[in-house]
Amino acid sequence: QVQLQESGPGLVKPSQTLALTCTVSGGSHNSGGYSWNWVRQFPGKGLEWIGYIFDSENVYYSPSLKSRVSMSVDTSKNEFSLRLTSLTAADTAVYYCARANLLPQSRHFDVWGQGLLVTVSS
Amino acid sequence: EIVLTQSPDTLSLSPGERATLSCRASQRIASDYIAWFQQKSGQAPRVLIYGAFTRAAGVPDKFSGSGSDTEFTLTISRLVPEDSAVYYCQQYSNSLPWTFGQGTKVDI
Repeated sequence: QVQLQESGPGLVKPSQTLALTCTVSGGSHNSGGYSWNWVRQFPGKGLEWIGYIFDSENVYYSPSLKSRVSMSVDTSKNEFSLRLTSLTAADTAVYYCARANLLPQSRHFDVWGQGLLVTVSS
Repeated sequence: EIVLTQSPDTLSLSPGERATLSCRASQRIASDYIAWFQQKSGQAPRVLIYGAFTRAAGVPDKFSGSGSDTEFTLTISRLVPEDSAVYYCQQYSNSLPWTFGQGTKVDI
């Protein structure tokens, strides 16, 4: 059973860069057939999809965050990562990593991490 | 960007009743690429329905999805207190970015 676990700082100062990692266990993120996604949930409960990566050459970022976000994969560690720059209080949220099948008809988020609360504050 | 609007915002029902949750899309969702998620307090979302009407593994048949084009519905029958949660719809069509509805809170 594949499990995902987010890790990173819980508190970041405004204007700094957030770096989060999602570790895949119980299977390989490089086993093919899946995209690896980041989703965040604001304190008011709204969900926002940040983007996905399924290999180093296939990445998509939501247009609203494209100028500040980047994603990468580390095959050797079974991890994928998120970087978000120029943080403001509006980036305060619970950050989730999630898996989705590459097949269009099954492209829903079927496995989620438990989530990591990131607060942007000085 | 496809905007998903859920209604109602909150639904208060009694045990044994049936809940009907609506999700309306600003554009047609081709191939019914809609999923429904349940989120309980302090937990990650859990997929209930994908492809508009296909139940995910382990999801009881009290949860059912229907609809097409721009109108989609999640129905929860035989409500029990454990069904209290926020329910979200999400589209994963070829029209990126993928988006979520704002959620419907169900109180039993």
